[in-house]
Amino acid sequence: DSGVTQTPKHLITATGQRVTLRCSPRSGDLSVYWYQQSLDQGLQFLIQYYNGEERAKGNILERFSAQQFPDLHSELNLSSLELGDSALYFCASSPPGTGNTIYFGEGSWLTVV
Amino acid sequence: AQKITQTQPGMFVQEKEAVTLDCTYDTSDQSYGLFWYKQPSSGEMIFLIYQGSYDEQNATEGRYSLNFQKARKSANLVISASQLGDSAMYFCAMREYRSNDYKLSFGAGTTVTVRA
Repeated sequence: DSGVTQTPKHLITATGQRVTLRCSPRSGDLSVYWYQQSLDQGLQFLIQYYNGEERAKGNILERFSAQQFPDLHSELNLSSLELGDSALYFCASSPPGTGNTIYFGEGSWLTVV
Repeated sequence: AQKITQTQPGMFVQEKEAVTLDCTYDTSDQSYGLFWYKQPSSGEMIFLIYQGSYDEQNATEGRYSLNFQKARKSANLVISASQLGDSAMYFCAMREYRSNDYKLSFGAGTTVTVRA
């Protein structure tokens, strides 16, 4: 158990819909990262939050947004879903500093039909 | 430019033998970290081992060791005494510390299949 909790584990939804993926980081970790893993794109970095503030942005579509709340949990919102958004979405967390720990949650499998 | 390159899409290894997974990286930072993760068919990403750019010794964690050759920008993972449970996808990743975000950049992965 990595200590990073993601919900839901599986989600099936229709095109055009909106979903919210939730992540609770490890205790003490201030950074949360979101990644998308698809067959054709591999593991793509989407966005990072550090202690509630957006720190870095990667290949995140405008239809996607995220936030980190005061209790440090994070949500990734995906809207106007398309078939190509079907993927495994990971959240990861790390403590402050340049340490050697970054742990991933079990991922949320999203299927858009 | 690709930061992490894993050139072996798939490998077969006999149970109890060792296997080496290749990883080369590209960075102009002096301070960075290299990670290896295992992804079994169930999908979770399991952290295996870490090597910092200033670490002089190669990292080891149980049956996993990292062959770090800084001048060649190479960070190969060695799995000794392979077990059937080692069958999975393995990802090499890098974290560059010059930027303020410390995000991981991943390679394309190598699928390892352990044969009985």
